[in-house]
Amino acid sequence: QSALTQPASVSGSPGQSITISCTGTSSDVGGYKYVSWYQQHPGKAPKLMIYDVSYRPSGVSNRFSGSKSGNTASLTISGLQAEDEADYYCSSYTSSRILVVFGGGTKLTVL
Amino acid sequence: EVHLVESGGGLVQPGRSLRLSCAASEFTFDDYAMHWVRQAPGKGLEWVSGISWNSGSIGYADSVKGRFTISRDNAKNSLYLQMNSLRAEDTALYYCSKDMGGYGDTGAFDYWGQGTLVTVSS
Repeated sequence: QSALTQPASVSGSPGQSITISCTGTSSDVGGYKYVSWYQQHPGKAPKLMIYDVSYRPSGVSNRFSGSKSGNTASLTISGLQAEDEADYYCSSYTSSRILVVFGGGTKLTVL
Repeated sequence: EVHLVESGGGLVQPGRSLRLSCAASEFTFDDYAMHWVRQAPGKGLEWVSGISWNSGSIGYADSVKGRFTISRDNAKNSLYLQMNSLRAEDTALYYCSKDMGGYGDTGAFDYWGQGTLVTVSS
């Protein structure tokens, strides 16, 4: 069960767009539609931002979007805001049994 | 609003056991799969274990397989994690989380508790 691969950090200026990648294999990201993204502010519990590759839960800003191509999923945040500064984690379902794997996390800095 | 409250964490010596609990409220508990996710200090998220709505399907991370046991009591709206043979590397904040589906195959956790800290040290 190897963790999914994410860049350690990304940064952008307010108003810009950034994309965070999440690379797995055909046994996880590439094999299922079940990719999720979470936002975590320091000292807080994670918050679901994207599920099933590209769906937003109710209440999540439409500035957040998800996509997938092959074994790599991506989270794009448009119109960066200061409050977007946080850690972001991807996850994927990875088996016919219950088995979930997370990415190592990406620290987003809003310059 | 969905509410998940973990308890049972604390300081424990290596090799000993601990049982975590998660009390759920404000949703139909027995409709959804539930999971435990942990986060070591300063580290990323690690999925630990998940259980389907009826306990018919259960999974564990390789790092805890054979040592941890997940269970649920739908009558009590509660989720549990029995942790045996604890190691220093099990030190983490343990989160209880709700799956968006009943079978644990969505990989999407839409509600999380605030976590309970487990410290394994002599």
